[in-house]
Amino acid sequence: NAGVTQTPKFQVLKTGQSMTLQCAQDMNHNSMYWYRQDPGMGLRLIYYSASEGTTDKGEVPNGYNVSRLNKREFSLRLESAAPSQTSVYFCASSPRQGIHSNQPQHFGDGTRLSIL
Amino acid sequence: GESVGLHLPTLSVQEGDNSIINCAYSNSASDYFIWYKQESGKGPQFIIDIRSNMDKRQGQRVTVLLNKTVKHLSLQIAATQPGDSAVYFCAEISWVQAGTALIFGKGTTLSVSS
Repeated sequence: NAGVTQTPKFQVLKTGQSMTLQCAQDMNHNSMYWYRQDPGMGLRLIYYSASEGTTDKGEVPNGYNVSRLNKREFSLRLESAAPSQTSVYFCASSPRQGIHSNQPQHFGDGTRLSIL
Repeated sequence: GESVGLHLPTLSVQEGDNSIINCAYSNSASDYFIWYKQESGKGPQFIIDIRSNMDKRQGQRVTVLLNKTVKHLSLQIAATQPGDSAVYFCAEISWVQAGTALIFGKGTTLSVSS
């Protein structure tokens, strides 16, 4: 079982370049998330999609856009990359999200992105 | 804002010892907590969770304790093994616009020596 798959695993960009990070899950989960992880830090939520067709901002959305392409796929786009966006990006999914939904999220192995 | 934190950034133990990793949270309204393990180069991996109506939950070699009075969460690993070496994060559910999201602490690095 693949779980959550992220591509690419590594990427180096120049400042100002654009890039789309891909994420797909095969667990039929409704909710998907994008986080960034910086050295010595926990994960911070960038954007999430509670269900197919919806997206919402998280804690650190500036400089990013997302697309919930279908139930399986949730992409993260950097329109004009900046050095401050150098980070490891993780995609996650969970079965459902809601007021009474307390279920763990399942994570991919990350995309390591460096902006020069 | 609300945050989840850990008491110690690093913990070193000998193989076979029991490990205790601590976490303090600030949102008294939180009702669901998760412990994740993250190995080098990998994404966080679910270990165990606990709801606020429980004080203790046990898994295989792991136990999570929740003290709501002092807003403290701990992860106990029995008979720690070298394969347990990783960064451990606690996370709590937080409410965002369309539902819930996880708020992560900064992590504790567990090093196990044989």
